[in-house]
Amino acid sequence: NAGVTQTPKFRVLKTGQSMTLLCAQDMNHEYMYWYRQDPGMGLRLIHYSVGEGTTAKGEVPDGYNVSRLKKQNFLLGLESAAPSQTSVYFCASSYSITTGALGYGYTFGSGTRLTVV
Amino acid sequence: AQSVTQLDSQVPVFEEAPVELRCNYSSSVSVYLFWYVQYPNQGLQLLLKYLSGSTLVKGINGFEAEFNKSQTSFHLRKPSVHISDTAEYFCAVSEGSGYNKLIFGAGTRLAVHP
Repeated sequence: NAGVTQTPKFRVLKTGQSMTLLCAQDMNHEYMYWYRQDPGMGLRLIHYSVGEGTTAKGEVPDGYNVSRLKKQNFLLGLESAAPSQTSVYFCASSYSITTGALGYGYTFGSGTRLTVV
Repeated sequence: AQSVTQLDSQVPVFEEAPVELRCNYSSSVSVYLFWYVQYPNQGLQLLLKYLSGSTLVKGINGFEAEFNKSQTSFHLRKPSVHISDTAEYFCAVSEGSGYNKLIFGAGTRLAVHP
């Protein structure tokens, strides 16, 4: 029962470098999300997707891009990393509201700890 | 716009004592409410949820929460905590209409001491 898998778990980047975080889910969930977690600020939504081929901006989208080419995968890209992007990144997935399955909540991955120096 | 305020950033408590973690929300429409728990170096797990019906909801690990619409609150309680309850707890809200995006509070760190 893999659930939501995030890779890598840890990464250190230099300012200006680029990278892609991968999120994969095996629950056939329609919706997927990328959050960042910073001390004292809880989780803030970066981007989300309501289906294959669709993405939308969340609360803090600047400096990030996403793609959802396959239903099970949701990629988060940093084109030019900045120290302000040092954070723990969480991917999550859920059923769509149309299935009436909101009560299942979100399933979260275990996170990626990113440090930008 | 909806928002969530967790009134305590840290709550220290002794083992076997009762605990309450406070959560208030603001929204102009009906809401769904959730509590998630995050153990060290792990992702978030769903603890309990309020969707409709009874305002007192029970979750895993002996936790319960009460939805109070007039006070726009959804406080989490446990009558007797264990060392293993040490974790960070997040309250979250989703508006009842449209897309079910969750908005999280800043979190409350519960530290249970022997």
